[in-house]
Parts: sequence; C-alpha cells; structure tokens
Amino acid sequence: QKEVEQNSGPLSVPEGAIASLNCTYSDRVSQSFFWYRQYSGKSPELIMSIYSNGDKEDGRFTAQLNKASQYVSLLIRDSQPSDSATYLCAVNMAGAQKLVFGQGTRLTINP
Amino acid sequence: EADIYQTPRYLVIGTGKKITLECSQTMGHDKMYWYQQDPGMELHLIHYSYGVNSTEKGDLSSESTVSRIRTEHFPLTLESARPSHTSQYLCASSAMTTRLKQYFGPGTRLTVT
Repeated sequence: QKEVEQNSGPLSVPEGAIASLNCTYSDRVSQSFFWYRQYSGKSPELIMSIYSNGDKEDGRFTAQLNKASQYVSLLIRDSQPSDSATYLCAVNMAGAQKLVFGQGTRLTINP
Repeated sequence: EADIYQTPRYLVIGTGKKITLECSQTMGHDKMYWYQQDPGMELHLIHYSYGVNSTEKGDLSSESTVSRIRTEHFPLTLESARPSHTSQYLCASSAMTTRLKQYFGPGTRLTVT
C-alpha cells in the first residue's frame, strides 16, 4: 500500500461544475497536508494547505480533511478550462523531514 | 511568494559528460530537495538536505550526488551522464516553521544524447 494514494484519473468535468479530487494516506499521525497543481511541463505550484479537521476555503478551492478516515480532498467550484492540470496531494508524515507525494490526479475541464 | 531558482532551464548534453544542475533559494529555508520526474509520471525524491553539510539520499536510487555548503545553494552533479538520466529535475525548499510547506523551482529539463 502506498503512503499517499490518489486516483490517477483522468477525471473529466464539464466547465462550471464542481471537481472533486480525493487523497488517502496511511500514517494516522500525519500533521500537514498540501495540494499542488502542476501544468504539463511545469513545476508543481502550491495551491492549498490544511492542518486541522474540517474545511478550508480559498476562492474557488476548498480543502477538506478528515484525520479519523485518513482522507483529504480538494473541491474546485465553477471549474474553468484553466483548471485542467495534474493535482498532487502531499502529506508530511509524522517525524519525517519531507513530504510524501501521491501520484497525482489528471483533471480535464471540458468547455 | 517563493524565490527559488534553477539553472540551466534546458540542457542537451552528450553521454559521458559531467554536469551540475544549480539550485538556489533566497528564503533562508533550511531544507532543500531534488526530485526527478518523467513526463506524465510521479515525482521521485532523489536527494534532500536538512541544512548545511547535511545530505541524504531519497526514495529513488540515483547516480547523482549533491552538496550543501551554503544554506541557499544545493547543486546536483552527475559525474558521467547517460541517456537514462534524461528527465526533468525539480528543486524545492521548505522550512520547519511553515510545516514543511514546499516551494518548487521552475525545473531543469535534461536530455542526454
């Protein structure tokens, strides 16, 4: 079992709809959780961080964390074609000095 | 906004050559990382550093080496490049005070012919 797992997709969502991206992690005592967006040929860009159970909203993005279920998700409201990218989930495992990345979910927003 | 720089951005080089990929950050971050990523594939951690004079191998075996003589600088060296080293190399940095929130440089696309 991978430490951080994501559905690799591709996930196809119509423009204007809500895109929902999911991530599960294996270490129950993980503390910090991040979502990165990576456009093709570019480097990952940090878009959300979340540390406590519940929801955190930033513009059209909402990160959701459920530590009991070891589950973190990213919702993108009013999806735009410019949101088409690979989204990487990253987790700071307890005691580690580095992030563990999932394999990424490729998201396509269809006009 | 993160300030992390990588040079060169693109490099095409022949087999057997020695190359050094440069990475610098101006944020005073103590931790720095090198990742390797093939197109459409996962990120693989190949080296990281907790601070000056500290380096560790990552999860993916790599023939490259790194050094950390200054906080802001974390170069990666390949003593003898091979076609199998063709890939994108991404440098990142973070600080414990920000819960290891990592910021990435723009990457170096390496092609070994």
